[in-house]
Amino acid sequence: DAGITQSPRHKVTETGTPVTLRCHQTENHRYMYWYRQDPGHGLRLIHYSYGVKDTDKGEVSDGYSVSRSKTEDFLLTLESATSSQTSVYFCAISDRGGQNTDTQYFGPGTRLTVL
Amino acid sequence: SQQGEEDPQALSIQEGENATMNCSYKTSINNLQWYRQNSGRGLVHLILIRSNEREKHSGRLRVTLDTSKKSSSLLITASRAADTASYFCATPQETSGSRLTFGEGTQLTVNP
Repeated sequence: DAGITQSPRHKVTETGTPVTLRCHQTENHRYMYWYRQDPGHGLRLIHYSYGVKDTDKGEVSDGYSVSRSKTEDFLLTLESATSSQTSVYFCAISDRGGQNTDTQYFGPGTRLTVL
Repeated sequence: SQQGEEDPQALSIQEGENATMNCSYKTSINNLQWYRQNSGRGLVHLILIRSNEREKHSGRLRVTLDTSKKSSSLLITASRAADTASYFCATPQETSGSRLTFGEGTQLTVNP
């Protein structure tokens, strides 16, 4: 988890409220990723970023938006939280993309419960 | 379906025994990675094997890759209780090498 922090670590919210999760890195890595992890589904990519202000969708992006205004911060926003978004969210970083992709380093995770 | 799929889903062994986990994938890959996740924690990278490698070692870990069968195996020798964790294989997505697809993992329990 060194060099990557996520906040908050735990959050309980109500359906319909907006929620923002923050990922902060001190490694100056170019690539940042948001995943969700659910039983029976493994780890699924929500959005990722390949540079400041450069983002793209993953396989489960509906209901989520992201922003990256600085190299070190990658924000994940649930515009109007739903119970199906109850999950554990992980941020990851990587130093290099392309076909010769590099290792990803993961944050400690955020446990989100939507009531 | 998942690009990488691990087998078995769960494995329970005694300390000192070897543990073998398998991963199958569907498309051509440049490399394959294995990660470990302890309960309640983020994933930790264990080892990366490239498509031109057949076997790689790191401490008590041995990874093999058979590109003709599109499969990989992770062997943990002389297992310890501290090896109890979930293990995931990950492969680069064909359309975007900067993205990885993870399997659903193998839950390994090492009993003292």
